[in-house]
Formats: sequence, C-alpha cells, structure tokens
Amino acid sequence: DAKTTQPNSMESNEEEPVHLPCNHSTISGTDYIHWYRQLPSQGPEYVIHGLTSNVNNRMASLAIAEDRKSSTLILHRATLRDAAVYYCILRHWRFIQGAQKLVFGQGTRLTINP
Amino acid sequence: EAGVAQSPRYKIIEKRQSVAFWCNPISGHATLYWYQQILGQGPKLLIQFQNNGVVDDSQLPKDRFSAERLKGVDSTLKIQPAKLEDSAVYLCASSPRPHGDEKLFFGSGTQLSVL
Repeated sequence: DAKTTQPNSMESNEEEPVHLPCNHSTISGTDYIHWYRQLPSQGPEYVIHGLTSNVNNRMASLAIAEDRKSSTLILHRATLRDAAVYYCILRHWRFIQGAQKLVFGQGTRLTINP
Repeated sequence: EAGVAQSPRYKIIEKRQSVAFWCNPISGHATLYWYQQILGQGPKLLIQFQNNGVVDDSQLPKDRFSAERLKGVDSTLKIQPAKLEDSAVYLCASSPRPHGDEKLFFGSGTQLSVL
C-alpha cells in the first residue's frame, strides 16, 4: 500500500492560516487523498478528501499537486479548537473485495498559540 | 443522527485476563472497522467487516483477538488472554455504503489498560 509522509509537528498562531503538507510519492491513479483529525481523547473525524482537483469545504481546503505526489491541507483561519493531530491518508480501493482501505500514518501534531 | 457508540469507555484488567469491547455503528452503515491506537501512534486497522463478512483481518493477532459482527449490525472485539502490549485505545468506525469513496465515522473509543 502507498504511504504518506508528514512532519511530526507544526505550530501556528490563532487566526492565521495553516498549511499542513503531505507527501505521497507512490500514490496510484485510483487512490483518493483523505484528511482526518483527532482531537484529544476523541476518535478521528473526517476533514476533507480529493482525487485530483483542489477541494473546499466548511472546515478546510485541500490543494493537490498536479502530479498528485503531494498535497496540502489548508486551515484558513486557525482557532484554538483546531489543535489536533492531522492525518493524511491514501484511500485505496480493493477491487476484489469491493471495499475501501484507509491506512493511518503517524500524523502531524498541530499546536495553535493564542 | 446518532454517532458510533462504543462501550465501555475505559477498562482496566490484569494480563492474561479476557476483555470484550462492543460497537454499535451508525444505522444503515454497511462497513465496520476496528482500529487499535497505541499511545503516540496513528490508528492501526485490526479488522474490517462489510455487512457481516470479513474484508480484511490481516493485522488481527488471531491467536488472542477475535471479532464478530452479528447480523451485519453490532460488533464485538475480544481479547483472550490479554498482554501488556495490548494497552491501547480501541476505535470502532463505520462507513455508509460498500462502494464508492466513503468517509469513516469514528466512535470515541475504549481505552484499555493491561496491568
């Protein structure tokens, strides 16, 4: 399965934009890029996903490189509640089983300073 | 819409004892996942069900772990006997349909401490 590489930790200030990078150089053509985040003492929660085009939702934006070997999660205006571990995951489709597979890496611990 | 329910929230046992965790996915969700998350690490997939069939259990330590999904709804994960290294948070997740690009909904997890 293709792997993702993220920085272990990042720090930003409240009300500033945050750009969380992810490298996935072995991504296959059918792999979607998913982002989840995990707040302390909670299960991960979905943030955003995309295949080729940039995506926006109410939580964040996802910028995907043209060659798809890297992507960036953008939080436009960070708040203290955005402090969490952010996981970049490649969603692989299992054609034989007809099911998806998501493998989590170590993630990036994001700290937001007031 | 109710979320993924897990119980118990916390469990403390001694090594060599047995323990069971329960998960009730979101109603109508076809796929159910059990993940193990050791402190400081990302979640690791243990087993994935689609309806009541197993899609992937390649990382489930089958000599001590077992899981079932009754009637394609609730699921139980059991450890017997537990080892110290099983101390972790056990997360259950579900996703809506078996096909397509579906996001996962996670429960809050069961934190297991093995002494």
